[in-house]
Amino acid sequence: GQSLEQPSEVTAVEGAIVQINCTYQTSGFYGLSWYQQHDGGAPTFLSYNGLDGLEETGRFSSFLSRSDSYGYLLLQELQMKDSASYFCAVTRGSTLGRLYFGRGTQLTVWP
Amino acid sequence: DGGITQSPKYLFRKEGQNVTLSCEQNLNHDAMYWYRQDPGQGLRLIYYSQIVNDFQKGDIAEGYSVSREKKESFPLTVTSAQKNPTAFYLCASSTGLAGAYNEQFFGPGTRLTVL
Repeated sequence: GQSLEQPSEVTAVEGAIVQINCTYQTSGFYGLSWYQQHDGGAPTFLSYNGLDGLEETGRFSSFLSRSDSYGYLLLQELQMKDSASYFCAVTRGSTLGRLYFGRGTQLTVWP
Repeated sequence: DGGITQSPKYLFRKEGQNVTLSCEQNLNHDAMYWYRQDPGQGLRLIYYSQIVNDFQKGDIAEGYSVSREKKESFPLTVTSAQKNPTAFYLCASSTGLAGAYNEQFFGPGTRLTVL
């Protein structure tokens, strides 16, 4: 089985930096992904970590520590349009084709 | 343009009726997925298919059925056996390969309301 824990809500102001944590318990862990979903919209892929360390994509970065079963998504220079839900999702080695999603973190960015 | 489409965007049905949700992709992806999303529940997998004419149950398959007769299409039927079918349904597709190559592309979703 597997479980993922992430905070339900995070708030920040424009221009700030916010970190959304994700801890997981899963057998056969293979990798960690992050998706963004605006209200009523479709989730979109942000990043993937298969190895320990930091992956950077513009204002967004994602980190993984396999030994700690922990990852985070770092959003810098926050903008109002970053207000959305953010989901972490794990891939397991036994079922490479599917993702197991966390419950999501609602990020609200204030002006 | 390549993409994944779902129709309709909103769907209303009476209790006890079966309903089929459409999902089509022209990304040439092998794998397709159906998720259900309820408030505060994240994305829960209903069914997935990694190849034509084959599919597997996800975590909440009871009361749902699927078919995968064509690579491009993966319709989901919500049957009358599904006890609480009102939800937002999302279809996705991917290459089905491992790791970073398994980015899932989502359709716009169908919001089903059962009256």
